[in-house]
Amino acid sequence: DQQVKQNSPSLSVQEGRISILNCDYTNSMFDYFLWYKKYPAEGPTFLISISSIKDKNEDGRFTVFLNKSAKHLSLHIVPSQPGDSAVYFCAASSMTGSSNTGKLIFGQGTTLQVKP
Amino acid sequence: GAGVSQSPRYKVAKRGQDVALRCDPISGHVSLFWYQQALGQGPEFLTYFQNEAQLDKSGLPSDRFFAERPEGSVSTLKIQRTQQEDSAVYLCASSLESRTEAFFGQGTRLTVV
Repeated sequence: DQQVKQNSPSLSVQEGRISILNCDYTNSMFDYFLWYKKYPAEGPTFLISISSIKDKNEDGRFTVFLNKSAKHLSLHIVPSQPGDSAVYFCAASSMTGSSNTGKLIFGQGTTLQVKP
Repeated sequence: GAGVSQSPRYKVAKRGQDVALRCDPISGHVSLFWYQQALGQGPEFLTYFQNEAQLDKSGLPSDRFFAERPEGSVSTLKIQRTQQEDSAVYLCASSLESRTEAFFGQGTRLTVV
């Protein structure tokens, strides 16, 4: 039972254009969402997060949008740069409730290639 | 240290051998998580510590897997009688508390032959 899904295994965009990475989830108890970026042979690096009380969070070139009714979130990178080429993981967590540990449920990842 | 440190980076074990993987979290981080990442997949939760207390071990795949954090800082993930299906990257993450962003180490790539 895949609670967090990234249906696109890969994405290729031209430098300077917008990259849009998508993520769907099934568990309505999730209230905190994160994007991590991973280079080969390195651990995931935190990129940006969003709480379920918001529908948008922006940090520089990165913006995350959350559509709770559709249980969908997306990461927009604009403008895309060759150094953004990496695997991007969407993750979800349930932060409310005393028993919740903050463990993350990850999607399968999307490999982004930004071509110069 | 500046980040989460894991050792060894790579481990090759013969099937049936026991292994121990170490995680040094960021100093002062209360929460520590272990994840297992199979090839081409996202990380999957194994276990969670709050200080020295193991509060969630629901993700451990079998009783061959054991984790500890005796003094609330360094943690060790032990796998007994390794099997080929244990081959994966084992990631450790720490956070200030359970509901803040987790920072990951570089992982230990375990290959069981």
